[in-house]
Amino acid sequence: EPEVTQTPSHQVTQMGQEVILRCVPISNHLYFYWYRQILGQKVEFLVSFYNNEISEKSEIFDDQFSVERPDGSNFTLKIRSTKLEDSAMYFCASSGLGTVPEDEQFFGPGTRLTVL
Amino acid sequence: GENVEQHPSTLSVQEGDSAVIKCTYSDSASNYFPWYKQELGKRPQLIIDIRSNVGEKKDQRIAVTLNKTAKHFSLHITETQPEDSAVYFCAASERAGGSYIPTFGRGTSLIVHP
Repeated sequence: EPEVTQTPSHQVTQMGQEVILRCVPISNHLYFYWYRQILGQKVEFLVSFYNNEISEKSEIFDDQFSVERPDGSNFTLKIRSTKLEDSAMYFCASSGLGTVPEDEQFFGPGTRLTVL
Repeated sequence: GENVEQHPSTLSVQEGDSAVIKCTYSDSASNYFPWYKQELGKRPQLIIDIRSNVGEKKDQRIAVTLNKTAKHFSLHITETQPEDSAVYFCAASERAGGSYIPTFGRGTSLIVHP
């Protein structure tokens, strides 16, 4: 069964540094998402992406964040200048055509970001 | 925006008992309610979902009920097993274009004792 994959599994960075988190969505999916989960808390939506542009974003997704689909398979989340409070697990997800039953979002295994 | 409240935060049951997790939502426009199971250190996985045009859905030992008038929905797990132990998240979402953007509850840590 195809799965969403993410790299790296764990990223440690210094405050103020830029990080890029990478995701490979399921190949025939059209919608891509980023979520974050601070340790012990709920999953929070960051951004959705469709047809090479952002379709929805939350208030968390400020100017420090950007997303890109640089080629036909990768989907990246960039944090320009990391802050301590960016430490969290970041999940990528993808979904299909937007019609029942393809609405289910499939999550990747996550990247744990630690900002020191 | 949408606000989802989930209770209880922790639920401890004996193997074979039933478990019920309850959620409420605030936005009457929400029309899709997925439930995710997240085992320790792993990705959230969809276990069941319900759309606003039905009141109940069942899949083997798992069932979900929805009361649109009261804006609450519940997950029911019968004959619990130790492998059901995990954190369960409810979510409420409204369709945005062709996709759904879920607002998650804070999660319920279910512990099933053998």
